[in-house]
Amino acid sequence: DQQVKQNSPSLSVQEGRISILNCDYTNSMFDYFLWYKKYPAEGPTFLISISSIKDKNEDGRFTVFLNKSAKHLSLHIVPSQPGDSAVYFCAATVNAGGTSYGKLTFGQGTILTVHP
Amino acid sequence: NAGVTQTPKFQVLKTGQSMTLQCAQDMNHNSMYWYRQDPGMGLRLIYYSASEGTTDKGEVPNGYNVSRLNKREFSLRLESAAPSQTSVYFCASSEEWWAGDGNEQFFGPGTRLTVL
Repeated sequence: DQQVKQNSPSLSVQEGRISILNCDYTNSMFDYFLWYKKYPAEGPTFLISISSIKDKNEDGRFTVFLNKSAKHLSLHIVPSQPGDSAVYFCAATVNAGGTSYGKLTFGQGTILTVHP
Repeated sequence: NAGVTQTPKFQVLKTGQSMTLQCAQDMNHNSMYWYRQDPGMGLRLIYYSASEGTTDKGEVPNGYNVSRLNKREFSLRLESAAPSQTSVYFCASSEEWWAGDGNEQFFGPGTRLTVL
């Protein structure tokens, strides 16, 4: 079963507008969440993360929101730039108990295209 | 500082052939991981090594073996390749085994493997 889901395979936005990428999870034990960005023919690169003790984390143009009751997180990019065009993966892990060994469960990815 | 390097970049195998995918990191990280990425599936963990001298199974270990040769190198072996192993393989490393702020996983550029 897919414990982390990104239900939108693709998203297209205009440069300067907001991009909102969504991610849902089913495992209530997940307590740490990450977003990775991937360009073609490259490996994923870390973008931003959030712990379950927070509901928001910001880093420049990127903000991640976590709604634990809905088991939902979202990544906001404001303003969007053409260089943001990439595949975005959300990932989750269980840190509590110290047994996850950093194992990440990834969503399927969302292709973001930002048009000039 | 090359980060995480993987060889080869591309490989075509026939069913039943064997091969080893190589991964090395120069960041003095303790933990290393192997993932595969398939269309519509996101990245799935094959094996991981929390620290030098230890390895353990991830989500999809069947048909694979790994060796943590030393702190820098972590190889993935396919003993008898099958068409279902056609995928893009990513190696990753992190400073420590837990997932947390400042301890994100760094990914290599990937190996694209086709099994005929």
